[in-house]
This record gives sequence, C-alpha cells and structure tokens, in this order.
Amino acid sequence: NAGVTQTPKFRVLKTGQSMTLLCAQDMNHEYMYWYRQDPGMGLRLIHYSVGEGTTAKGEVPDGYNVSRLKKQNFLLGLESAAPSQTSVYFCAIRAGGSAQPQHFGDGTRLSIL
Amino acid sequence: TQLLEQSPQFLSIQEGENLTVYCNSSSVFSSLQWYRQEPGEGPVLLVTVVTGGEVKKLKRLTFQFGDARKDSSLHITAAQPGDTGLYLCAGALANAGGTSYGKLTFGQGTILTVHP
Repeated sequence: NAGVTQTPKFRVLKTGQSMTLLCAQDMNHEYMYWYRQDPGMGLRLIHYSVGEGTTAKGEVPDGYNVSRLKKQNFLLGLESAAPSQTSVYFCAIRAGGSAQPQHFGDGTRLSIL
Repeated sequence: TQLLEQSPQFLSIQEGENLTVYCNSSSVFSSLQWYRQEPGEGPVLLVTVVTGGEVKKLKRLTFQFGDARKDSSLHITAAQPGDTGLYLCAGALANAGGTSYGKLTFGQGTILTVHP
C-alpha cells in the first residue's frame, strides 16, 4: 500500500527473543497506529501516536513498547516474545480531521515458537 | 465482549446472489467505515458514513448507517467472484468532550467467498 511501508514482512522468533517492527510513512500524517489481527477478532489496537515524540496505549498494549522519535517512523518492540504474540501486525496512518480514513501497510506476519 | 458485533463471520454464495453484512453495537459512533482486505494485504477503505440514516452507494455496494449511529450494513447486489475477500466495519466512538484521536473499533470481519 502506497505511503506505508512495514518491515520485515515475515519473521519467526523463539520464545524470549526480542525484535522491532518498523513502520515508515511518506505522507507526513500525524497519526500512526499499530494493530494486531487474529482470526475471528478483527484488528485490535496495540499502541498509537498522535505526533512525533508521543505514544499512547491502545486496547491490547501489554508485552509491547513503541517509539516515535521521528514523525515518519513508528516502531513496535517486543522485549520478550511469547507464543501469544503470534499474529499479523498492521501499521496504519491517518491525517488529521474528523472521519478521516486510516491507510494500512501490508502487514508483518510474526510467528513465535 | 466485542464492542462492534459483525455478522455473519463467514458467507459463501454463488455468483449473482445478493448478500448483506451487519455491524451492530450498543454504543454510538461519530463515523463508521467499511474496509475490504485481501490476503497478504492491509485493509483498504471502501466508504465512510457519518450521518445517522446515511446511505452511500459504490457500484453494486450499498452502505447504510443506522439512524441512531449504532449500527451499519453493507449490501452487495449480484455478487461477483471479484468481491471475494474479508470485509471489516470500523467505528470511531462518539465521546463527550475529549478527542478520540481517530481511534477505530473494528468488528470481527466477514469472510466472503463468491463462487463462479
């Protein structure tokens, strides 16, 4: 999806390992979001950011940390991966203003063994 | 407990049939969006509805926002195999005072398969 790039696209980790997922945007949007998508549960918000240097917890933040040191990048970290964090992770961006849509990246498929 | 209940979860129909997907909640939303997602990709916006009772049409797709802004539906007329995919509704909760920062609450999704 144009404007939102997620890396890596796939990753397999062992329990206890750490890793960072990167979301990069080229649309200069203020708002950025990290979701996880699991079968039958739609997308659930992990953390979000309303601008450079700001982060906030979403619906399911436990086990994750985030940082937004630069406006164009939003990082999602797993300090000690657990099998329950096996999921597909999506980053989304959004411009300001009411009823604006979110634009999603193509996701990172993460498996924790 | 899911704040936004989407049904059905699975729908398998023949080409040419009509179908309706529902999203229901006890909460009021300031706006509601419908997304479509294909395997290996992120969701892509189909439509945004913001006014109670609003109806929007996108070719063979008709979207309706409930009068009380608590529910929405997606109706597809004469479904085609190209309509196959995961359909997601997502709402921005209406709140008294503070901003929601554009956060969305998603339904569980409906996996639609249209057979030729």
